[in-house]
Amino acid sequence: GENVEQHPSTLSVQEGDSAVIKCTYSDSASNYFPWYKQELGKGPQLIIDIRSNVGEKKDQRIAVTLNKTAKHFSLHITETQPEDSAVYFCAAKSSGYSTLTFGKGTMLLVSP
Amino acid sequence: DAGITQSPRHKVTETGTPVTLRCHQTENHRYMYWYRQDPGHGLRLIHYSYGVKDTDKGEVSDGYSVSRSKTEDFLLTLESATSSQTSVYFCAISDPPETTNEKLFFGSGTQLSVL
Repeated sequence: GENVEQHPSTLSVQEGDSAVIKCTYSDSASNYFPWYKQELGKGPQLIIDIRSNVGEKKDQRIAVTLNKTAKHFSLHITETQPEDSAVYFCAAKSSGYSTLTFGKGTMLLVSP
Repeated sequence: DAGITQSPRHKVTETGTPVTLRCHQTENHRYMYWYRQDPGHGLRLIHYSYGVKDTDKGEVSDGYSVSRSKTEDFLLTLESATSSQTSVYFCAISDPPETTNEKLFFGSGTQLSVL
């Protein structure tokens, strides 16, 4: 099955800095890569996703890049704000499976 | 949380007792999932359902069973709770993967403590 590795496990930045979270996956057949944000006491919520036929996708201050050859994808957050503080999960899904495999999560702390 | 209600929100129980967690949705999504979240392990799939009475195992299904008698309800049962099942449990829903609308919507979670 799929295996997703996520780094770093914690990330501290100053407000206004950029933050990058990286994930690698093992199954070359994976074709869907979402990112979820989990605020304290809440369930995860999708913030952006990308499919294997696209190399990059942006939505305001967040962007995701995908390198299929290297089997890794990254989340980029620019101009970070304190409300970006949360746990972020990457995930991957193969076309041959019905379910997502999640990374272990990254706790992002944005200091004012 | 996208019309998903988990109950109870918190539960404390003793080792060896049966426990049932409920997930109720008002979105009419065909797929429903149960995940557990533990520090250092992220989100791990326990069981999922792709229709009424249609369920399948996830990566950490041992010690858990599920039932889905109606589209809107998905029950997770711990037949005999153990301390290793202390965790936060999340229910999620989605459209079928083949629709390419694979976005998962999560509930607010159930904090379960097994003493």
